[in-house]
Amino acid sequence: GAVVSQHPSWVICKSGTSVKIECRSLDFQATTMFWYRQFPKQSLMLMATSNEGSKATYEQGVEKDKFLINHASLTLSTLTVTSAHPEDSSFYICSASRGGYSPLHFGNGTRLTVT
Amino acid sequence: AQRVTQPEKLLSVFKGAPVELKCNYSYSGSPELFWYVQYSRQRLQLLLRHISRESIKGFTADLNKGETSFHLKKPFAQEEDSAMYYCALSGGQGAQKLVFGQGTRLTINP
Repeated sequence: GAVVSQHPSWVICKSGTSVKIECRSLDFQATTMFWYRQFPKQSLMLMATSNEGSKATYEQGVEKDKFLINHASLTLSTLTVTSAHPEDSSFYICSASRGGYSPLHFGNGTRLTVT
Repeated sequence: AQRVTQPEKLLSVFKGAPVELKCNYSYSGSPELFWYVQYSRQRLQLLLRHISRESIKGFTADLNKGETSFHLKKPFAQEEDSAMYYCALSGGQGAQKLVFGQGTRLTINP
C-alpha cells in the first residue's frame, strides 16, 4: 500500500532557530502534498497545499514567510519553520495523494517543541 | 464556507452495542465526505468515503444531503474500534483538499 514517511517524528529546538520537516511518498509519486497543523485535542488545520515544481498555496492566516514549503520532487515535500517561537510548538502532519480521486495517505506526524 | 461539525468529542459504548458517530457539514456545492480513523500511536487512515458506498470493518455511513449529515454507524461495536474518528469534507476536488471535523474519541468498554 501507499506509504508516506515523515521525518523527524519529534524535534526540540530553541527559539529563533529554524526546523525542517520532511514528507516523503515512498512508493508512489505525489504531485500534491498537504501540510496540516494540529493543536492538542483539536482537529487538523490545513496550512498549505504543496505542488510539485510550483509555489505552495497557503491557507488564510498562515504566514508563508514563516512556514516555507518546498516540493522539489514528486516524492518529497519539506516544511521549514523559520525563526521558531514557542507558539509554533505543535503537531505537524503531511499527507500525499497520487492525484485525482485517489485517497490521501498521511504521515505519522512531527511533534515540534520550541523552547 | 466549508465546515464539518462533530458534536461529540467523546463517545463511550459497551462492546456489542450499536455505535453512531455524528457528523454534520456545511457546504454550498456538492461535497465529498470521508471518515478517517486514528488508532492509538498510528497515523491517520481512511476508513471510508461516501462515493464508494462500501462497508469497512463493519462501519457504514450514508450521506444525507437534506440533513447535511454523514453519520458513521456500526451495529455491534468491538473493542478494537476504540480510536479517534474524524469526519472530513472535500469540495469536489477528489480526495485532495480536506476540511476536518474536531474528531470524536470512541471508547469501547468490555
